[in-house]
Amino acid sequence: GAVVSQHPSWVICKSGTSVKIECRSLDFQATTMFWYRQFPKQSLMLMATSNEGSKATYEQGVEKDKFLINHASLTLSTLTVTSAHPEDSSFYICSAKITRTFTEAFFGQGTRLTVV
Amino acid sequence: DAKTTQPTSMDCAEGRAANLPCNHSTISGNEYVYWYRQIHSQGPQYIIHGLKNNETNEMASLIITEDRKSSTLILPHATLRDTAVYYCIVRAVNNDMRFGAGTRLTVKP
Repeated sequence: GAVVSQHPSWVICKSGTSVKIECRSLDFQATTMFWYRQFPKQSLMLMATSNEGSKATYEQGVEKDKFLINHASLTLSTLTVTSAHPEDSSFYICSAKITRTFTEAFFGQGTRLTVV
Repeated sequence: DAKTTQPTSMDCAEGRAANLPCNHSTISGNEYVYWYRQIHSQGPQYIIHGLKNNETNEMASLIITEDRKSSTLILPHATLRDTAVYYCIVRAVNNDMRFGAGTRLTVKP
């Protein structure tokens, strides 16, 4: 299947700082990328949908000013957690679809964020 | 998208077939059934998907009932590495991929 790569795999940051997570589609062009958050022992929760060249669409309850999403190219989307707090500690996962009428989505390996 | 119901957990003996059920009684005609799995601390891995016909690939088989209200994912010869949370998702093309609670499959030696 297609490869989606996230970087970094894990990050520890101090409270109040910002952290950027990158999501790259390595062997295909992704018109749309999705960002999820997963707390321990819970399922994945969709945070936002990112379309190349346009603003992201956020799910209800997700603060767009706190979780900045940029999808500047067909192979790269970034999620920036601004002014991080300990409650933002979570597993963040991106996924990408190949075409506008996609079937399966491919997921990155996830980024473990710990805010201390 | 239609809601899915899966058992919370299941056990399977190594080498035996693992049959994971999923109910999706409100599925509509344009919705596909997808299966993903998530091994601990990794991103979800695509397994298989189908619309109404049974499907098979190198990982698994997907059996969809004729009325499409339920389906079963079959791992023909489960190994310890198949221990994971398995998610059944029903969605229409172009809709978001949203996850339920899934089934925690434990393959035991």
